[in-house]
Amino acid sequence: DAGITQSPRYKITETGRQVTLMCHQTWSHSYMFWYRQDLGHGLRLIYYSAAADITDKGEVPDGYVVSRSKTENFPLTLESATRSQTSVYFCASSAGYGYTFGSGTRLTVV
Amino acid sequence: GENVEQHPSTLSVQEGDSAVIKCTYSDSASNYFPWYKQELGKRPQLIIDIRSNVGEKKDQRIAVTLNKTAKHFSLHITETQPEDSAVYFCAASGLTRGGADGLTFGKGTHLIIQP
Repeated sequence: DAGITQSPRYKITETGRQVTLMCHQTWSHSYMFWYRQDLGHGLRLIYYSAAADITDKGEVPDGYVVSRSKTENFPLTLESATRSQTSVYFCASSAGYGYTFGSGTRLTVV
Repeated sequence: GENVEQHPSTLSVQEGDSAVIKCTYSDSASNYFPWYKQELGKRPQLIIDIRSNVGEKKDQRIAVTLNKTAKHFSLHITETQPEDSAVYFCAASGLTRGGADGLTFGKGTHLIIQP
């Protein structure tokens, strides 16, 4: 759906670098989420947000930072990238029931 | 926290046959159970969901059943077609506004439709 967009689509970064993944939605959904997808692990929740300026940790938050100063944006920052953070990252939004996912960012840490 | 187990990890069926994917959950407070379909290289997409006050829900060839007592729910796809080939994920959430604190997903089932 065009209403939720992620950027960049692909990213290669070096170990130790800071990298920010962007997520933008146009529906004014209250809830936004970041998941990572790895083979054998399915989708695991990193962070979520119930509204602007309200964020909370999910299952695997270590090494990640989020912010939500505006309802439509929910960036995810890797403060010092590690190889174990190589993954596909999905952002999602929801008005309550049912998530809509973005197209994902494939991040490779070398 | 919630734990969702999904079986099988791979399912191969002949075109036209039915496919069943099963999930169990651990948190008896969970009350919202969606299913997502993910094609290769694409985003997960919601295909059907069920809330705890309903035992079964159907949408054309797709149905989901829920057994709260046993804490398991299943996805049924009838008359399978090649375009049904994908990875399917079940999920569970325990808040009244389903998924508001994050859905817990199963590890996925790779459904293969054999011609």
